[in-house]
Amino acid sequence: DAGITQSPRHKVTETGTPVTLRCHQTENHRYMYWYRQDPGHGLRLIHYSYGVKDTDKGEVSDGYSVSRSKTEDFLLTLESATSSQTSVYFCATGLAGGTDTQYFGPGTRLTVL
Amino acid sequence: GQNIDQPTEMTATEGAIVQINCTYQTSGFNGLFWYQQHAGEAPTFLSYNVLDGLEEKGRFSSFLSRSKGYSYLLLKELQMKDSASYLCAVTLHGDSNYQLIWGAGTKLIIKP
Repeated sequence: DAGITQSPRHKVTETGTPVTLRCHQTENHRYMYWYRQDPGHGLRLIHYSYGVKDTDKGEVSDGYSVSRSKTEDFLLTLESATSSQTSVYFCATGLAGGTDTQYFGPGTRLTVL
Repeated sequence: GQNIDQPTEMTATEGAIVQINCTYQTSGFNGLFWYQQHAGEAPTFLSYNVLDGLEEKGRFSSFLSRSKGYSYLLLKELQMKDSASYLCAVTLHGDSNYQLIWGAGTKLIIKP
C-alpha cells in the first residue's frame, strides 16, 4: 500500500471559515487527487495535480483551491466553508494518469455547521 | 454525457456467489476499475480490465464486454469480511492527464 496520510482526520468548523486539508505521500507518485464522497454519489473529483505546481480542476472545483509546492504534499483549501461542503474527503495518488491504479488515503470527515 | 450505473445495494449469504454489475455509457472508453471500500475506510484496488473477457484473482473475478458497455465483479465463497461497497470506475482516453469516472457504488451485505 502507498504511504498516504491525511490530516486532520476529523474536523468540525463553522460556515464562512477557511479550512485546509493536507495530504502527504511517501511513494514519490507524480499524480495526486482530491475527491469528495457523499451518499448516493460516486467519488467526485475536486482538483488534481500532475506534478509540483501543476494542478487542474475536476468536476466539482467551485469553492475549493489546491496547492502542491513539493511532490509529497497536496493541500486542499475551502476558502469559505459552506454546509454543502460537509463531506468525506479522500486524497489519492498514482504513478501515472487516469489509466493507473490510484491509492487512497484514509479520508477526512469534515462537518460544516 | 458520461454515465455509470450500478445497483445501490445487494444482499447475499455467506459461502454463496454474488455478481455485481456495472453498465456504462461513455465516449472514449479505455478500461474499467473495481475498487472495494469497507465502511469508514478508503477504497482499495481490486482489478482493472482493458480487454474483453474474464480475469480471475482468487475468489474475485472481473468481466468486461466493451461492445455491450458492461462489466461485472464475481465474488465466490463469500465471507463476512466481503461486506463492503464495490465501486466501478471507467477510464477514458483522449486526455493525457486524467479522465476517470466513478459509479456510485454497490453496497454488498453478507448474511450468515
